[in-house]
Amino acid sequence: ELKVEQNPLFLSMQEGKNYTIYCNYSTTSDRLYWYRQDPGKSLESLFVLLSNGAVKQEGRLMASLDTKARLSTLHITAAVHDLSATYFCAVQDAGGTSYGKLTFGQGTILTVHP
Amino acid sequence: DTEVTQTPKHLVMGMTNKKSLKCEQHMGHRAMYWYKQKAKKPPELMFVYSYEKLSINESVPSRFSPECPNSSLLNLHLHALQPEDSALYLCASSPVRPGTSIGDNEQFFGPGTRLTVL
Repeated sequence: ELKVEQNPLFLSMQEGKNYTIYCNYSTTSDRLYWYRQDPGKSLESLFVLLSNGAVKQEGRLMASLDTKARLSTLHITAAVHDLSATYFCAVQDAGGTSYGKLTFGQGTILTVHP
Repeated sequence: DTEVTQTPKHLVMGMTNKKSLKCEQHMGHRAMYWYKQKAKKPPELMFVYSYEKLSINESVPSRFSPECPNSSLLNLHLHALQPEDSALYLCASSPVRPGTSIGDNEQFFGPGTRLTVL
């Protein structure tokens, strides 16, 4: 059974600081997604990582994927208050009988304060 | 139309009620998914439909009954729910691009239905 673990689960950051969220998973996959969720809202897609070594950046966020280590990272640069949200990584099982099932990490609750 | 829509946005129901959640997409996607998300937890897969056929049921209690009447529409019929079924229900759809299989592509999520069972 695929397991996905994120850490940290809670992250309190000061504005302007940098930090990294880690996502480890237990079985072979080269399809990993990062989502943002604001309270009471649905999932907002941030990054789609589809191969080993994939790196994507959008604004103050950068995501990478190392399929050999089964590890993805979400790096936050110079945090601002607007980044406060819950961040999920999700690993996709593309096996024939899995129909693209997503298994999510526990989520990281990020709070950015002045 | 490039989005997944869900209705209603909010639903409050008693344990003896019957209600339905609706999910619609007009992007030609042939895989559709229901996820359940409890407060402060990650989403969990409930059902997958591929080409309008139920492909995965993640051991969901029978009080939840999915239906896919056509390639654009996915329903979740609810009956005799329990208070612990209160959650955010998310629908997602995924294309099947040429040369790929169901499950090889990104899922697009709807806004969700917030369900409260009294």
